[in-house]
Amino acid sequence: QVQLVQSGAEVKKPGASVKVSCKASGYTFTSYGISWVRQAPGQGLEWMGWISAYNGNTNYAQKIQGRVTMTTDTSTTTAYMELRSLRSDDTAVYYCARGPNTLGNEDYWGQGTLVTVSS
Amino acid sequence: DIQMTQSPSSLSASVGDRVTITCRASQSISRYLNWYQQKPGKAPNLLIYDASSLQSGVPSRFSGGGSGTDFTLTISSLQPEDFATYYCQQSHSAPPTFGQGTKVEIK
Repeated sequence: QVQLVQSGAEVKKPGASVKVSCKASGYTFTSYGISWVRQAPGQGLEWMGWISAYNGNTNYAQKIQGRVTMTTDTSTTTAYMELRSLRSDDTAVYYCARGPNTLGNEDYWGQGTLVTVSS
Repeated sequence: DIQMTQSPSSLSASVGDRVTITCRASQSISRYLNWYQQKPGKAPNLLIYDASSLQSGVPSRFSGGGSGTDFTLTISSLQPEDFATYYCQQSHSAPPTFGQGTKVEIK
């Protein structure tokens, strides 16, 4: 069965960086991409970007472009999302999700990783 | 970016009720509309894609409709496990955008 398992919760200081991992299993990793979606406490869903696991092509949301890097490691079927220059409003649960393209349609999701940014 | 607006933001209903949630896009998105269910502390779960196609494993009491700018999600007979927040997402143009969510609560 398709599974996406994310790394554990993180606490970071403002200005620091965080790197969240997402280990995929149960499907051909390179046949899909990985989307990253975040959710601030009590708020809605915000799409952050997408990476093709086939060729590494990326598409980032304009709001965070320049602070985010998404990568994949096909040898370990793991996707990564690094967010730099963290601010308090980056505090959120970060989800990875399997997506066929950069247009959403995410059908399987990780369990989420809480990133707390606090001084 | 395409803006997605859901209504209502929240509703109270009883088990067995028929519930309809509306989602409106700021421009035509044809039928490129998905619906997700999210329960507290859990990841979203895809219910409906392409406006009306039921994702595998989703109960048939869920249905979707609409095209262009106006869409609906209907739960024909609300069950206890359906109390959750529902989000629409347009998949017509990048970046994909979500509605603000509709919380379905127990009356």
